[in-house]
Amino acid sequence: AQSVTQPDIHITVSEGASLELRCNYSYGATPYLFWYVQSPGQGLQLLLKYFSGDTLVQGIKGFEAEFKRSQSSFNLRKPSVHWSDAAEYFCAVGVVTGGGNKLTFGTGTQLKVEL
Amino acid sequence: DAGVTQSPTHLIKTRGQHVTLRCSPISGHKSVSWYQQVLGQGPQFIFQYYEKEERGRGNFPDRFSARQFPNYSSELNVNALLLGDSALYLCASSLFSTTDGYTFGSGTRLTVV
Repeated sequence: AQSVTQPDIHITVSEGASLELRCNYSYGATPYLFWYVQSPGQGLQLLLKYFSGDTLVQGIKGFEAEFKRSQSSFNLRKPSVHWSDAAEYFCAVGVVTGGGNKLTFGTGTQLKVEL
Repeated sequence: DAGVTQSPTHLIKTRGQHVTLRCSPISGHKSVSWYQQVLGQGPQFIFQYYEKEERGRGNFPDRFSARQFPNYSSELNVNALLLGDSALYLCASSLFSTTDGYTFGSGTRLTVV
């Protein structure tokens, strides 16, 4: 069965500093990988996705992620964090089963931005 | 274009009651999925429906059921509510393939007392 691990429950960075959120997945086939962001009390907003091809994926709001098959990782990065980036971030793997598909999420990383 | 809409946004129910949550997908999206997000955790897959047929079911008891209508909207029903059913219920719509990603609604916050 597939799984996603986000090792960091909480991360605090200063505004303007760089950010890297870690994500490791376990899945036997080529994964579809996603990063979502969730503000308090809100739904999930898609930041970026990886299906195939270039392993460096660009997303919205200045985020990027790099797929590393050898490390089973899909870490999210941003060169300069803004106070509005404070939120919870979820990594997910998409699995296509017989006739359907679903997302398996990690437990999330809560990002706090210090001004 | 309207995004994924869910109703109601909040509701409070008593243990043992029944609840119905509703979701309207993005226009043109034929697949609707339901997820449960308990406080402090990532969303957990409950169901996927495509063209009115169930295409996937997560590890949830039979108290949870869903259906999809000809206009591709969907309902999630939960019977005999337990305190542990308190959660944010998220609906996601997509074209069938995972290559299109999923668009989530803002969710329904269910509190069982």
